[in-house]
Amino acid sequence: DQQVKQNSPSLSVQEGRISILNCDYTNSMFDYFLWYKKYPAEGPTFLISISSIKDKNEDGRFTVFLNKSAKHLSLHIVPSQPGDSAVYFCAARGNQGNQFYFGTGTSLTVIP
Amino acid sequence: DVKVTQSSRYLVKRTGEKVFLECVQDMDHENMFWYRQDPGLGLRLIYFSYDVKMKEKGDIPEGYSVSREKKERFSLILESASTNQTSMYLCASSLGGTISYEQYFGPGTRLTVT
Repeated sequence: DQQVKQNSPSLSVQEGRISILNCDYTNSMFDYFLWYKKYPAEGPTFLISISSIKDKNEDGRFTVFLNKSAKHLSLHIVPSQPGDSAVYFCAARGNQGNQFYFGTGTSLTVIP
Repeated sequence: DVKVTQSSRYLVKRTGEKVFLECVQDMDHENMFWYRQDPGLGLRLIYFSYDVKMKEKGDIPEGYSVSREKKERFSLILESASTNQTSMYLCASSLGGTISYEQYFGPGTRLTVT
């Protein structure tokens, strides 16, 4: 059963606007969350992370929000750029050390 | 720059063949991982290793085995390939401890089993 879910397989946004990617999880014991970006024919690359003791982490155009009570996190990209077009995966750290659970990914297209 | 390399980008094998996928990282990372990526299923963990000769099963270890004889190298073995093992295979590595949970991924191997 999928413990980390990304319910939107795809998202299209105009250049310059905000992109919001969502992720839901089921296990309240998850304590660390990461977002990865993946271009075609490449491996995922780390984007931003957040610990469960925080509710927000910001890095340049990227901000991750964590709502523990709702078991929901989101990635905001402002302003969106065409180079942001990629598949985005969220991942959550399980309570068994270094095992991470990944979502199914959301394909973001930023339209120039 | 951390580099994770995988032995092949594309591989075509026949049903029943033994398949070896090799992964090498150059950053002295303790942890190494093998995932497979399938449409609609995301990345699923097959096996991981937190030290030489140590291994732990992930969510989908059936039909796979692994070997880690040296810190920098983690091999995934398909003992008898089957068509349902056709997939993209991704290797990753990360530092041990709680310094950083960030994983560094290789470019992937697209395996087709016919």
